[in-house]
Amino acid sequence: DSGVTQTPKHLITATGQRVTLRCSPRSGDLSVYWYQQSLDQGLQFLIQYYNGEERAKGNILERFSAQQFPDLHSELNLSSLELGDSALYFCASSGESREYYGYTFGSGTRLTVV
Amino acid sequence: GENVEQHPSTLSVQEGDSAVIKCTYSDSASNYFPWYKQELGKRPQLIIDIRSNVGEKKDQRIAVTLNKTAKHFSLHITETQPEDSAVYFCAASMFEGFQKLVFGTGTRLLVSP
Repeated sequence: DSGVTQTPKHLITATGQRVTLRCSPRSGDLSVYWYQQSLDQGLQFLIQYYNGEERAKGNILERFSAQQFPDLHSELNLSSLELGDSALYFCASSGESREYYGYTFGSGTRLTVV
Repeated sequence: GENVEQHPSTLSVQEGDSAVIKCTYSDSASNYFPWYKQELGKRPQLIIDIRSNVGEKKDQRIAVTLNKTAKHFSLHITETQPEDSAVYFCAASMFEGFQKLVFGTGTRLLVSP
């Protein structure tokens, strides 16, 4: 267990639908990052939050949105789903200090759009 | 911003051989370089990291070297085993009030018995 919790582990939904992925960061970590990984692809950075505020945006589609709540958990909302949105979605968290120890990833949510 | 290039994209070796994966980065201010291993369908896991004030770091069969002048760093795996088969990602980061890792595109390592 990495300490980063993602739910659900698997999600199957139809095109055009909307889903919400949830992430609880490791205890004490204020930053949350979302990544998309399509089959046999690399880690595509979507968005970063720090203590409730959006900090950096990557290649996130307008159909996707995210937020981080006061208890630091984060949700990634995917709407008007398309077949190409099928992927593994990872959440990662990190602390914020100069003695940096990288990101800790959750186990991911596998989204299948049919 | 930072850009990280990783080579090769795939690497096949025989069990017992050594494997080397190389990454280059663009921003000389980057000061932290982790390596992640991702097995099929699993999460990326940190296997080793190096900071800019160190040139080499070893942990059993894996080692990482850093050349700050040339802005490249490498992962070395010796005496490879089938369980080393995975995708390996390098990354670079700097601290500018907050951290942001920039990942390489990944190397698929296949170790054949």
